[in-house]
Order: sequence, then C-alpha cells, then structure tokens
Amino acid sequence: EVKLVQSGPEVKKPGDSLKISCKGSGYKFTNSWIAWVRQMPGKGLEWVGMIYPGDSDGDTSLRYSPSFQGQVTISADNSISIAYLQWSSLKASDTAVYFCARPGHTGYGFDYWGQGTEVTVS
Amino acid sequence: QTVVTQEPSFSVSPGGTVRLTCGLTTGSVSTSHYPSWYQQTPGQPPRTLIYTTNTRSSGVPDRFSGSILGNRAALTITGAQADDESDYYCMLYMGSGISVFGGGTKLTVL
Repeated sequence: EVKLVQSGPEVKKPGDSLKISCKGSGYKFTNSWIAWVRQMPGKGLEWVGMIYPGDSDGDTSLRYSPSFQGQVTISADNSISIAYLQWSSLKASDTAVYFCARPGHTGYGFDYWGQGTEVTVS
Repeated sequence: QTVVTQEPSFSVSPGGTVRLTCGLTTGSVSTSHYPSWYQQTPGQPPRTLIYTTNTRSSGVPDRFSGSILGNRAALTITGAQADDESDYYCMLYMGSGISVFGGGTKLTVL
C-alpha cells in the first residue's frame, strides 16, 4: 500500500529556516515523482513543484512553479525515502498547509496524498 | 500568463446532476492537459476523483465522471448526495513538467 507520511506542524518566526518532510512507502521511492502543494488559510490549492529522486544524483529531476522558483527548495534523501520542502528565510505569507502528493501509474495527476503539514510563521 | 478557471460556486439538489468545468483564460483544454479532479472537505487532504481526463481513482463511485466538453474539462456528478458538498479542484498539465490548479468550486447540495 502506497503511503505518504508528512512531518508534524511547525511554528516559526519570520526569518527562520525550515525543512518539512514527506516519507514515501509501499513503492520504489526513486522511481516516482513527488510533488508539493500549498494551501494558504481559506484558499485553494497551489502547485509548488516536484522532484524525481532517481536512482543516482544524475537521475534527479526538479520542477518548480514560476511562482515558487527561488522561494523554496525541494530535495530528497533516497536512503530514507524522504522528500523535503525547505525555506531559508520564512515570511508570514508562507503560513499555509503543505501537502505532498504522488502521481498514479499514468504519471499525470496525483493519486496519493500526504496528510498535510501546517506551517505557521508569526 | 494563462490561468486555470473554475466556477467559484455551484449548487445542486439532492439526487440531481451537476457539471463543474475547468477552462483556460487563453486557449482550450484538451486531453493533452491530462485534466485531474480533486475533492476536499475542510481540514482534510484532497481526495483524488479523476485523472487523465476520465479515469476514476480507486474507490471513487461511478457517479463521478470526467470528460472534455467543448473547450473545457468537466466533472459530472450524478445522483448528488449530501456528502458531495465539498470544494472541487481541477489541475491541468501545462507542459515542461509544470501543472496548475484551478481556483476551486464550492459545491453546495441543498
């Protein structure tokens, strides 16, 4: 059974750094894209970016929404099957719930979702 | 910049049929956008309903169906039930590995 389990809620101050995680299980982690999706309070879903971990460093691929390019960094640790979303300097406007998601077998659209990580910057 | 558009709100009577749509501010939606649809209730992660235009995700009842109608993607819900009252989001693949969500439709069943 495919599962995506995300790290717990975070409360940070503006200017802090942060790295949240999404652990995949039940499938070959290195062979599937994992995406991050933002949902600001009371707002809709926003596609942030995604990573294809790959079996080696040279196989890793990254894609970012133009809206998020340069604002966040997506990475992965294949040894522990975890994808990360990180910020070097948080802003109050980063306050949101962040979901990780994985495409299904067609590679388009998401078929599996993490439970979400609430990030509060205040 | 092309934006993905959805009706902000819609209402349907119990047992009725409703069609939610997903369009583009520039151009037409086609199967090459691999439209997908998600249902979300407050405080929960999204639930996948449809991907690649018309493929139902595992466990999704056949009351939910996806299609392309004219220049838009569509999600049709037949025999609406009270627990279909949710927010619905479409997502389109825009090329170069990038996808974009629509703004969402709030569906009321009354």
